[in-house]
Amino acid sequence: EIVLTQSPATLSLSPGTRATLSCRASQSINNYLAWYQQKPGQAPRLLIYDASNRATGIPARFSGSGSGTDFTLTISSLEPEDFGVYYCHQRSTRPPSFGPGTKVDIK
Amino acid sequence: QVQLVQSAVEVKKPGASVKVSCKASGYTFSSHGITWLRQAPGQGLEWMGWIRHYTNYAEKFQGRLTMTTDTSTSTAYLELRSLRPDDTAVYYCARTLPPDYDFWSGYYDLWGQGTLVTVSS
Repeated sequence: EIVLTQSPATLSLSPGTRATLSCRASQSINNYLAWYQQKPGQAPRLLIYDASNRATGIPARFSGSGSGTDFTLTISSLEPEDFGVYYCHQRSTRPPSFGPGTKVDIK
Repeated sequence: QVQLVQSAVEVKKPGASVKVSCKASGYTFSSHGITWLRQAPGQGLEWMGWIRHYTNYAEKFQGRLTMTTDTSTSTAYLELRSLRPDDTAVYYCARTLPPDYDFWSGYYDLWGQGTLVTVSS
């Protein structure tokens, strides 16, 4: 099973600043990685798929990069509504797996 | 409106079974697989399995998990048997991308609201 590790565990930033979230896979997953945002009491929302493609309706401030084992989600200028937990997800190898999440707090 | 609507909260005793439903609307149900995932309280996401024209289950649930669909009502079902307290979680169904793809591997672009299943004596 592929293990995904996310860092940092928590990020506390002010609106307007840049957020950089990392996800590392225990072995190469090519670009078969997605990012989701989850707010308390809600289902996750797909942000990025295939490492760098924005899902439908996702603002341009969200971008993804990386391939192989190292991936990054960047939020170029944080908005107050961007708080939540961000999960990475790999679909390269069965079973699909998720990272433990990065919690983003807005100061 | 494109959505997945899940059944209500369930409270079960250890050893019992639970069946959760997931009704799709606003899109062609048969064009996409449905993935089921769960999230224990305060924990991350766990993949349970996938269904479209066939099923693919996570190894840890083999033997006590059944996924089905009813295309006449655009509804997917998850049944989990021999429930244990550590099965307590919110269970999600999710539409799986890409469309017209008959394989477990995909991304989840539309989610149900979740069904809390509590297993307690």
